[in-house]
Amino acid sequence: GDSVTQMEGPVTLSEEAFLTINCTYTATGYPSLFWYVQYPGEGLQLLLKATKADDKGSNKGFEATYRKETTSFHLEKGSVQVSDSAVYFCALTTGNQFYFGTGTSLTVIP
Amino acid sequence: DAGVTQSPTHLIKTRGQQVTLRCSPKSGHDTVSWYQQALGQGPQFIFQYYEEEERQRGNFPDRFSGHQFPNYSSELNVNALLLGDSALYLCASSLGAGQYQETQYFGPGTRLLVL
Repeated sequence: GDSVTQMEGPVTLSEEAFLTINCTYTATGYPSLFWYVQYPGEGLQLLLKATKADDKGSNKGFEATYRKETTSFHLEKGSVQVSDSAVYFCALTTGNQFYFGTGTSLTVIP
Repeated sequence: DAGVTQSPTHLIKTRGQQVTLRCSPKSGHDTVSWYQQALGQGPQFIFQYYEEEERQRGNFPDRFSGHQFPNYSSELNVNALLLGDSALYLCASSLGAGQYQETQYFGPGTRLLVL
């Protein structure tokens, strides 16, 4: 079945460091891929998405490229800020339901 | 433009009781999906409602049921609560019942604690 595997955390970085959170997927058909972010005590917010191979999603300095050949959708940011501290979820959908990874907790220290 | 809203925000129940959670979708959306998020885990799909019918269901027992109203709002009902039902319940809305792989927009969730 469809599934998402993402890098386990927690991840702790210093402010202005480079961030990569790995995500790979297994899917039948042609999934759309997403990154959602969850701040403490809140629901999930869409961070970025890509709907077909080689698409790059980007938002708030975060980027991820849909790589069909490696079935990956790694999240990157060149310079993280303290305000980026949150839990990040990779997800896919091929239709009615979303499949989420287990989440990667990121803490950015000043 | 109001986003997805859920009520209540928090709820405490005891084992064996029944609970009803409510969700209003984002304006213009006609599809509601429900997810259960256990502590430290990713959300798990419960079911999706479109045109007042359950369209798809995840691996959850029949104790979990739902309903969608003509105004697209939705309820999630859980009967015979178990301790393991303690979780954050998330509602997500979208357009078109997954036909176009539309983005799902999530509400803030209802945190249920079963004692």
